[in-house]
Amino acid sequence: SAVISQKPSRDICQRGTSLTIQCQVDSQVTMMFWYRQQPGQSLTLIATANQGSEATYESGFVIDKFPISRPNLTFSTLTVSNMSPEDSSIYLCSVGRNTEAFFGQGTRLTVV
Amino acid sequence: AQSVAQPEDQVKVAEGNPLTVKCTYSVSGNPYLFWYVQYPNRGLQFLLKYITGDNLVKGSYGFEAEFNKSQTSFHLKKPSALVSDSALYFCAVRDQEKGSYIPTFGRGTSLIVHP
Repeated sequence: SAVISQKPSRDICQRGTSLTIQCQVDSQVTMMFWYRQQPGQSLTLIATANQGSEATYESGFVIDKFPISRPNLTFSTLTVSNMSPEDSSIYLCSVGRNTEAFFGQGTRLTVV
Repeated sequence: AQSVAQPEDQVKVAEGNPLTVKCTYSVSGNPYLFWYVQYPNRGLQFLLKYITGDNLVKGSYGFEAEFNKSQTSFHLKKPSALVSDSALYFCAVRDQEKGSYIPTFGRGTSLIVHP
């Protein structure tokens, strides 16, 4: 299994500001994933964070809005930039191991 | 492409009764299938998975799921529901041949177990 610590667990932010979410894994992993879960909806993959290279973004997500860092094999950050109320969601960090996906507890973001 | 359908937004059962949460999938190759549970204000927790072998898979908290290749289904079941089982349940699929860790999730089914 994998133990993933994600913080903050929740935040309320003013529109126009940015929030950086941190994800720490208990062991080294090649790829880390960032998901968004909008209210009442399923998980949508934002990007794959690779160590030593640029993140790979899914359709509809761009680096300027969701910059990602991956400084080493156990840590990644996702920044939600220039926030608007539409960014209010749960953001989840995930890693894959032995065919399974493991998730952090999520960051519940509310933009006011 | 891979996809998952959870046809029910919500399932309600009485405590002690059996429960079923439905899931059907579509992949071009052979599937890896998963069930996750999300409790309020929590991340996703892994319940069980089907990789190969026995079609009946047993997982955490007394849950099980049956892989049915002909019906492309992977319904989640529990013989006797508990109020504490009330949560959001997600089915997910991954194509075995793709070699990627990225599953596709269904939209989720809210399970409500009432006393």
